[in-house]
Amino acid sequence: AQSVTQLDSQVPVFEEAPVELRCNYSSSVSVYLFWYVQYPNQGLQLLLKYLSGSTLVKGINGFEAEFNKSQTSFHLRKPSVHISDTAEYFCAVSSGTYKYIFGTGTRLKVLA
Amino acid sequence: DVKVTQSSRYLVKRTGEKVFLECVQDMDHENMFWYRQDPGLGLRLIYFSYDVKMKEKGDIPEGYSVSREKKERFSLILESASTNQTSMYLCASSFGRTSGGTDTQYFGPGTRLTVL
Repeated sequence: AQSVTQLDSQVPVFEEAPVELRCNYSSSVSVYLFWYVQYPNQGLQLLLKYLSGSTLVKGINGFEAEFNKSQTSFHLRKPSVHISDTAEYFCAVSSGTYKYIFGTGTRLKVLA
Repeated sequence: DVKVTQSSRYLVKRTGEKVFLECVQDMDHENMFWYRQDPGLGLRLIYFSYDVKMKEKGDIPEGYSVSREKKERFSLILESASTNQTSMYLCASSFGRTSGGTDTQYFGPGTRLTVL
């Protein structure tokens, strides 16, 4: 069975500081990995996804994530955050079927 | 741009009522999903549909049913609403069943349902 763990439920960070949101997964088969963002009162939208190839994936709004197979991680990073990045971030994994497993989410709070 | 719309942003119902949540997508996607989002639990899949009139149970189907009579529309039905079904409900769609799990899911804005 697959699972996704987002250890940090909340991450406060000052504006223009770097941030890393952690995601670890477990699966006995190859996986595809996703990060979604949910702004207040909105649905989720895709930030980036890893399907194959380069382990460093760049997404929208200056975010990037690195797939680390040995550590079964897919951490999300941004070198300098803005107030507008305040949102909830979800990591998700798929093993090749329609079914995605979502993590419990990390609330990023950017402070002025 | 893909657009997924949900019939209501906020809904208040009474215990025992039958509740319909409607979702429409405009990109001819084969797959449609209903999720429930609760604090600390993330998103949990209620039902999935990969074609008209086809459906599969997700992780938490109890107390829910679905209907997909047209490709663009996917309805979630609470046969007899209960207070523990108070939650945020998210609809999503994706391109196709044969995409092998690589599809991006496109989400609607959600319906916040309160059952009193």
